[in-house]
Amino acid sequence: ETGVTQTPRHLVMGMTNKKSLKCEQHLGHNAMYWYKQSAKKPLELMFVYSLEERVENNSVPSRFSPECPNSSHLFLHLHTLQPEDSALYLCASSQTTGTPTDTQYFGPGTRLTVL
Amino acid sequence: TQLLEQSPQFLSIQEGENLTVYCNSSSVFSSLQWYRQEPGEGPVLLVTVVTGGEVKKLKRLTFQFGDARKDSSLHITAAQPGDTGLYLCAGSNTGNQFYFGTGTSLTVIP
Repeated sequence: ETGVTQTPRHLVMGMTNKKSLKCEQHLGHNAMYWYKQSAKKPLELMFVYSLEERVENNSVPSRFSPECPNSSHLFLHLHTLQPEDSALYLCASSQTTGTPTDTQYFGPGTRLTVL
Repeated sequence: TQLLEQSPQFLSIQEGENLTVYCNSSSVFSSLQWYRQEPGEGPVLLVTVVTGGEVKKLKRLTFQFGDARKDSSLHITAAQPGDTGLYLCAGSNTGNQFYFGTGTSLTVIP
């Protein structure tokens, strides 16, 4: 089983839709992350969860709502998105947070297009 | 926001050539990581450096952390088509926040 899986791999949605992205890690890690990767921009950290508690929220608009029901699963709920939210959304996990040398394992990402 | 600028942004070379990619910042980091991302996949960690002046080698890849821990370089010897991908550097001080660079897209032509 691949370490970090994400579904769906591709998603097209209208601005009024509500959808959710799912991430699952099979590595026994305690920390999970959501990143946004847009063309010509650096990877942006959106949210960090440690032991199911949110520890970082980098000024992300409220139309993005994360949920971490347990240490293996992470969701990103989307509603009333804008076309500029179109991007590759990457999930990652690591053993812990708070250690600058932690290894993050990334999933393959969900390619989101907002029409 | 702690910015990491990578250069060059794009690089296309012939198989067998050598190349160097740079990652520069005005900020000091406790650690700096290099990742490679292939199309349709997430980034994969190549190396972590933590000590100023540190040099690490991974087969044909040589990574160096600047003495002041503000910059880093990645040197590839005798590039191969399998080295093609997007190379990303990322710096961190706390472990909760990793600041990623702008990326270098490398194409190695057979």
